[in-house]
Amino acid sequence: QKEVEQNSGPLSVPEGAIASLNCTYSDRGSQSFFWYRQYSGKSPELIMSIYSNGDKEDGRFTAQLNKASQYVSLLIRDSQPSDSATYLCAVNPHSGYALNFGKGTSLLVTP
Amino acid sequence: ETGVTQTPRHLVMGMTNKKSLKCEQHLGHNAMYWYKQSAKKPLELMFVYSLEERVENNSVPSRFSPECPNSSHLFLHLHTLQPEDSALYLCASSQAQGHEQYFGPGTRLTVT
Repeated sequence: QKEVEQNSGPLSVPEGAIASLNCTYSDRGSQSFFWYRQYSGKSPELIMSIYSNGDKEDGRFTAQLNKASQYVSLLIRDSQPSDSATYLCAVNPHSGYALNFGKGTSLLVTP
Repeated sequence: ETGVTQTPRHLVMGMTNKKSLKCEQHLGHNAMYWYKQSAKKPLELMFVYSLEERVENNSVPSRFSPECPNSSHLFLHLHTLQPEDSALYLCASSQAQGHEQYFGPGTRLTVT
C-alpha cells in the first residue's frame, strides 16, 4: 500500500506567521512530490513541485524534501487569510503516472 | 479557453440514466487522468491515458467507462450508477509521467 500521510488539522495560525505543513510517504522509491491548495468547493491548484532533496522557494512558499526520512513539507511565510484552504500532498511513485494523495491538511489563517 | 476545462460542472442523475462527462485540455499535454474525490477520502485515481492509450486503471466498476479520442479530449461515460458514486469528478493533465498534473474545475455529480 503506497500511503501518503498528513495531519488533517485544522492548523490555525495568526496572520503574518509561518504555517508549516508536513507530509510523510511510504514508497521509498518515490521521485516527484507536489503540493496542491484546494479551496472549499474548488478543484486542487498546484502550488509547488519538488524533485530533489533540499529546499525550493517560490515567493512566500518553500517546499522541503528529505528522501532519507521520506518526508516533505511546505512552509508558508507571512500567512494571509486568503491562504486558508486545504493543502494536499501528492507523491509520484518510482513508476507509473499516478499521484498518491494525502487526505489534506486544513489551514486556517486568522486575522 | 485555457488550462483544463470540464463539462458539465454539476450533474444530477438517476440510477438508470446514462450520462457523459467531458474534459478538454489546452496545454499540449500528453497524459490525461480521471480522479474521484469523495468527502473524507483522498483523491482516488480512476483512469490514466497517455497519447490516447489507457496506461493505468485502478479497480473501477464497469459502470464507469472512459474514452480518449485524442490527446486533448477525455470522456467518462456513466451508466446505472449508485448513490455512493456521488462525488466530485476531476480531470487532470500532465506533460508526461511524473510531471506536474493540472486539474480542471471538476464535475459535481449527485446520483439520486
